[in-house]
Amino acid sequence: KQEVTQIPAALSVPEGENLVLNCSFTDSAIYNLQWFRQDPGKGLTSLLLIQSSQREQTSGRLNASLDKSSGRSTLYIAASQPGDSATYLCAVRFPTNTGNQFYFGTGTSLTVIP
Amino acid sequence: DAGVTQSPTHLIKTRGQHVTLRCSPISGHKSVSWYQQVLGQGPQFIFQYYEKEERGRGNFPDRFSARQFPNYSSELNVNALLLGDSALYLCASSLVGGTNTGELFFGEGSRLTVL
Repeated sequence: KQEVTQIPAALSVPEGENLVLNCSFTDSAIYNLQWFRQDPGKGLTSLLLIQSSQREQTSGRLNASLDKSSGRSTLYIAASQPGDSATYLCAVRFPTNTGNQFYFGTGTSLTVIP
Repeated sequence: DAGVTQSPTHLIKTRGQHVTLRCSPISGHKSVSWYQQVLGQGPQFIFQYYEKEERGRGNFPDRFSARQFPNYSSELNVNALLLGDSALYLCASSLVGGTNTGELFFGEGSRLTVL
Protein backbone atom coordinates (compact mmCIF):
# COMPACT_ATOMS: atom_id res chain seq x y z
CA LYS A 1 0.00 0.00 0.00
CA GLN A 2 1.27 3.44 -0.91
CA GLU A 3 1.89 5.79 1.97
CA VAL A 4 2.77 9.47 2.25
CA THR A 5 4.18 10.80 5.50
CA GLN A 6 4.64 14.41 6.56
CA ILE A 7 6.88 15.49 9.40
CA PRO A 8 6.49 17.47 11.59
CA ALA A 9 2.74 17.35 12.21
CA ALA A 10 2.86 20.89 13.59
CA LEU A 11 5.38 23.70 13.44
CA SER A 12 5.46 27.13 15.05
CA VAL A 13 8.01 29.74 13.96
CA PRO A 14 8.54 33.48 14.44
CA GLU A 15 7.86 35.76 11.50
CA GLY A 16 10.77 36.12 9.09
CA GLU A 17 12.24 32.67 9.59
CA ASN A 18 13.00 30.35 6.72
CA LEU A 19 11.51 26.88 7.17
CA VAL A 20 11.39 23.44 5.60
CA LEU A 21 8.46 21.03 5.50
CA ASN A 22 9.14 17.39 4.76
CA CYS A 23 7.24 14.75 2.80
CA SER A 24 8.27 11.12 2.33
CA PHE A 25 6.68 8.40 0.22
CA THR A 26 7.02 4.66 -0.04
CA ASP A 27 7.58 4.07 -3.76
CA SER A 28 9.89 5.89 -6.15
CA ALA A 29 7.70 5.04 -9.18
CA ILE A 30 5.65 8.22 -9.10
CA TYR A 31 4.12 10.41 -11.81
CA ASN A 32 4.32 13.68 -9.94
CA LEU A 33 4.05 15.36 -6.54
CA GLN A 34 1.96 18.37 -5.64
CA TRP A 35 2.06 20.64 -2.60
CA PHE A 36 -1.14 22.25 -1.34
CA ARG A 37 -2.14 24.75 1.28
CA GLN A 38 -5.38 24.39 3.26
CA ASP A 39 -6.88 27.05 5.49
CA PRO A 40 -9.26 25.86 8.27
CA GLY A 41 -12.54 24.57 6.86
CA LYS A 42 -11.54 25.45 3.31
CA GLY A 43 -10.55 23.62 0.16
CA LEU A 44 -7.01 23.00 -1.04
CA THR A 45 -4.98 25.63 -2.88
CA SER A 46 -2.31 24.33 -5.24
CA LEU A 47 1.16 25.68 -4.50
CA LEU A 48 3.59 23.73 -6.66
CA LEU A 49 3.54 20.70 -8.95
CA ILE A 50 6.74 18.74 -9.61
CA GLN A 51 6.74 16.17 -12.40
CA SER A 52 8.74 12.97 -11.84
CA SER A 53 11.41 14.16 -14.30
CA GLN A 54 11.99 17.41 -12.40
CA ARG A 55 14.16 18.09 -9.34
CA GLU A 56 12.59 21.31 -8.13
CA GLN A 57 10.02 24.01 -8.73
CA THR A 58 9.90 27.58 -7.48
CA SER A 59 7.10 30.08 -7.02
CA GLY A 60 7.84 33.32 -5.22
CA ARG A 61 9.03 32.52 -1.69
CA LEU A 62 8.30 28.82 -2.15
CA ASN A 63 10.69 26.18 -3.43
CA ALA A 64 9.85 22.50 -3.65
CA SER A 65 12.39 19.77 -4.31
CA LEU A 66 11.94 16.15 -5.30
CA ASP A 67 14.30 13.21 -4.77
CA LYS A 68 12.54 10.15 -6.13
CA SER A 69 15.32 7.71 -5.30
CA SER A 70 15.08 8.48 -1.59
CA GLY A 71 11.30 8.99 -1.67
CA ARG A 72 11.44 12.54 -0.36
CA SER A 73 10.24 16.03 -1.13
CA THR A 74 10.76 19.25 0.77
CA LEU A 75 8.86 22.53 0.67
CA TYR A 76 11.04 25.50 1.56
CA ILE A 77 9.33 28.72 2.63
CA ALA A 78 11.54 31.80 2.74
CA ALA A 79 10.96 34.78 5.03
CA SER A 80 7.79 33.39 6.58
CA GLN A 81 4.81 35.69 7.19
CA PRO A 82 1.75 35.36 9.47
CA GLY A 83 -0.36 34.90 6.32
CA ASP A 84 1.54 31.67 5.66
CA SER A 85 -0.18 30.09 8.66
CA ALA A 86 -2.14 27.12 7.33
CA THR A 87 -1.92 23.35 6.91
CA TYR A 88 0.42 22.24 4.14
CA LEU A 89 -0.39 18.97 2.39
CA CYS A 90 1.82 16.84 0.17
CA ALA A 91 0.15 14.65 -2.46
CA VAL A 92 1.93 12.02 -4.51
CA ARG A 93 0.51 10.58 -7.72
CA PHE A 94 1.26 6.87 -8.01
CA PRO A 95 0.44 4.54 -10.91
CA THR A 96 -2.40 2.10 -10.33
CA ASN A 97 -3.88 -0.81 -12.26
CA THR A 98 -6.41 1.52 -13.87
CA GLY A 99 -4.32 4.66 -14.30
CA ASN A 100 -3.07 6.71 -11.38
CA GLN A 101 -4.16 7.99 -7.98
CA PHE A 102 -3.12 10.74 -5.60
CA TYR A 103 -2.20 9.78 -2.04
CA PHE A 104 -2.11 12.55 0.55
CA GLY A 105 -0.12 12.98 3.71
CA THR A 106 -1.84 14.14 6.89
CA GLY A 107 -0.28 17.57 6.60
CA THR A 108 1.92 19.94 8.58
CA SER A 109 0.08 22.64 10.52
CA LEU A 110 2.18 25.82 10.35
CA THR A 111 1.80 28.79 12.64
CA VAL A 112 3.86 31.91 11.96
CA ILE A 113 3.99 34.16 15.01
CA PRO A 114 4.06 37.94 14.38
CA ASP B 1 -12.32 32.51 -14.77
CA ALA B 2 -14.36 30.52 -12.28
CA GLY B 3 -12.55 27.86 -10.32
CA VAL B 4 -13.97 24.52 -9.27
CA THR B 5 -17.42 25.06 -7.79
CA GLN B 6 -19.19 22.71 -5.41
CA SER B 7 -22.68 22.64 -3.97
CA PRO B 8 -24.05 22.60 -1.40
CA THR B 9 -21.38 24.08 0.87
CA HIS B 10 -22.90 22.65 4.04
CA LEU B 11 -25.58 20.08 4.71
CA ILE B 12 -26.93 18.04 7.58
CA LYS B 13 -28.46 14.60 7.12
CA THR B 14 -29.60 11.79 9.40
CA ARG B 15 -28.42 8.21 9.36
CA GLY B 16 -29.90 6.14 6.54
CA GLN B 17 -30.60 9.11 4.29
CA HIS B 18 -29.15 9.73 0.85
CA VAL B 19 -27.06 12.70 -0.29
CA THR B 20 -26.05 14.11 -3.66
CA LEU B 21 -23.09 16.46 -3.98
CA ARG B 22 -22.36 18.42 -7.14
CA CYS B 23 -19.22 19.73 -8.77
CA SER B 24 -18.45 21.91 -11.78
CA PRO B 25 -14.86 21.74 -13.01
CA ILE B 26 -12.78 24.59 -14.33
CA SER B 27 -13.79 25.43 -17.89
CA GLY B 28 -11.89 23.19 -20.29
CA HIS B 29 -11.02 20.57 -17.68
CA LYS B 30 -12.24 17.11 -18.55
CA SER B 31 -11.20 15.17 -15.44
CA VAL B 32 -12.99 15.30 -12.09
CA SER B 33 -11.95 13.53 -8.89
CA TRP B 34 -13.71 13.21 -5.56
CA TYR B 35 -12.03 13.04 -2.15
CA GLN B 36 -13.22 12.59 1.43
CA GLN B 37 -11.42 14.48 4.17
CA VAL B 38 -12.12 13.58 7.76
CA LEU B 39 -11.10 16.15 10.37
CA GLY B 40 -7.37 16.03 11.05
CA GLN B 41 -6.58 13.74 8.11
CA GLY B 42 -5.45 14.17 4.54
CA PRO B 43 -8.00 13.72 1.73
CA GLN B 44 -8.79 10.14 0.70
CA PHE B 45 -9.43 9.34 -2.96
CA ILE B 46 -12.96 8.18 -3.81
CA PHE B 47 -13.41 8.38 -7.60
CA GLN B 48 -11.88 9.79 -10.75
CA TYR B 49 -13.81 10.44 -13.95
CA TYR B 50 -12.31 11.41 -17.29
CA GLU B 51 -14.32 11.98 -20.45
CA LYS B 52 -17.41 10.70 -18.63
CA GLU B 53 -15.85 7.34 -17.80
CA GLU B 54 -14.75 6.08 -14.39
CA ARG B 55 -10.96 5.88 -14.40
CA GLY B 56 -10.29 5.10 -10.77
CA ARG B 57 -12.01 4.08 -7.58
CA GLY B 58 -10.67 4.24 -4.04
CA ASN B 59 -11.37 1.90 -1.16
CA PHE B 60 -14.94 3.00 -0.42
CA PRO B 61 -18.10 0.86 -0.11
CA ASP B 62 -20.66 0.52 -2.87
CA ARG B 63 -22.86 3.05 -1.05
CA PHE B 64 -20.67 5.62 -2.77
CA SER B 65 -21.27 6.23 -6.47
CA ALA B 66 -20.57 9.01 -8.93
CA ARG B 67 -21.07 10.04 -12.51
CA GLN B 68 -19.83 12.67 -14.94
CA PHE B 69 -22.12 14.48 -17.33
CA PRO B 70 -21.54 15.56 -20.97
CA ASN B 71 -20.62 19.07 -19.76
CA TYR B 72 -17.96 17.44 -17.48
CA SER B 73 -19.75 18.36 -14.26
CA SER B 74 -20.07 15.55 -11.75
CA GLU B 75 -22.23 14.20 -8.95
CA LEU B 76 -21.22 12.15 -5.94
CA ASN B 77 -23.99 10.09 -4.37
CA VAL B 78 -23.87 8.43 -0.97
CA ASN B 79 -26.65 6.07 0.11
CA ALA B 80 -27.59 4.78 3.56
CA LEU B 81 -25.56 7.43 5.35
CA LEU B 82 -23.57 6.46 8.42
CA LEU B 83 -22.21 8.68 11.18
CA GLY B 84 -18.72 7.96 9.84
CA ASP B 85 -19.59 9.57 6.51
CA SER B 86 -19.42 12.98 8.19
CA ALA B 87 -16.57 14.75 6.43
CA LEU B 88 -15.53 17.44 4.00
CA TYR B 89 -16.08 16.18 0.45
CA LEU B 90 -13.72 17.74 -2.02
CA CYS B 91 -13.93 17.84 -5.78
CA ALA B 92 -10.86 18.41 -7.93
CA SER B 93 -10.51 19.01 -11.63
CA SER B 94 -7.56 18.71 -13.97
CA LEU B 95 -6.97 19.38 -17.62
CA VAL B 96 -6.09 15.79 -18.37
CA GLY B 97 -6.82 12.48 -16.73
CA GLY B 98 -6.59 8.76 -17.22
CA THR B 99 -2.97 7.81 -17.74
CA ASN B 100 -1.96 11.43 -18.27
CA THR B 101 -1.07 13.51 -15.26
CA GLY B 102 -1.86 17.12 -14.59
CA GLU B 103 -2.15 19.65 -11.81
CA LEU B 104 -5.15 19.23 -9.54
CA PHE B 105 -7.35 22.19 -8.65
CA PHE B 106 -9.78 21.84 -5.76
CA GLY B 107 -13.10 23.38 -4.89
CA GLU B 108 -14.03 24.67 -1.42
CA GLY B 109 -15.75 21.42 -0.55
CA SER B 110 -19.12 20.28 0.77
CA ARG B 111 -19.24 19.84 4.55
CA LEU B 112 -21.53 16.88 5.34
CA THR B 113 -22.70 16.23 8.88
CA VAL B 114 -24.58 13.01 9.58
CA LEU B 115 -26.61 12.93 12.82
